[in-house]
Amino acid sequence: QVTLRESGPALVKPTQTLTLTCSFSGFSLSSSGVSVSWIRQPPGKALEWLARIDWDGDFYYKTSLKTRLSIPKDTSKNQVVLTMTNMDPVDTATYYCARGQSTGWGFDYWGQGSLVIVSS
Amino acid sequence: QSVLTQPPSASGTPGQGVTISCSGSNSNIGGNTVNWYQYLPGAAPKLVIKSDYQRPSGVPGRFSGSRSGTSASLAISGLQAEDEADYYCAVYDDSLRAVLFGGGTKLTVL
Repeated sequence: QVTLRESGPALVKPTQTLTLTCSFSGFSLSSSGVSVSWIRQPPGKALEWLARIDWDGDFYYKTSLKTRLSIPKDTSKNQVVLTMTNMDPVDTATYYCARGQSTGWGFDYWGQGSLVIVSS
Repeated sequence: QSVLTQPPSASGTPGQGVTISCSGSNSNIGGNTVNWYQYLPGAAPKLVIKSDYQRPSGVPGRFSGSRSGTSASLAISGLQAEDEADYYCAVYDDSLRAVLFGGGTKLTVL
């Protein structure tokens, strides 16, 4: 059974760095074709893809956010981390991690999401 | 405003059919396959259609998808109360080099 769970702070201050952890089970990020992405949804707005890490270490970032994002993985712990620097109130959102399909850019399993509020 | 355009709402009565559209451009829907997600607040989003028309295991056969040109559609036949949710289309965009999501369609089962 594939499961993913996001964890991290519920509240961060402007200019701080956000660190979220995606802990997963039921698959291995060392298996060929496997990837994990981070996606967020600001309140009342559409979903927004942020970043992806592949089984072989390749990574991809949303172009407009690439200077602020990092997506390291710890295969031994079955975890993927998202760090986002210089947080702003507009970054307030529910952050999801999701497993990528073996081919293409679909996501077949998602976590429940972690609400992050950026406020002083 | 999303690059992918979906109607904000759709509705139908139990047993009826409903279709949700997703309009894009040559750099996304025009050249890549579309996925559809069902979202219930407080729950994890669920993939209901992958690669334009394929149903993942466990998704009822009354869900179907199609793509033509720069548009895609999600059709749900024989509506059930449990289908009431938000539905999002998603596709990779070659120009932006990112996955794009539509603005979402809130489906109400009357």
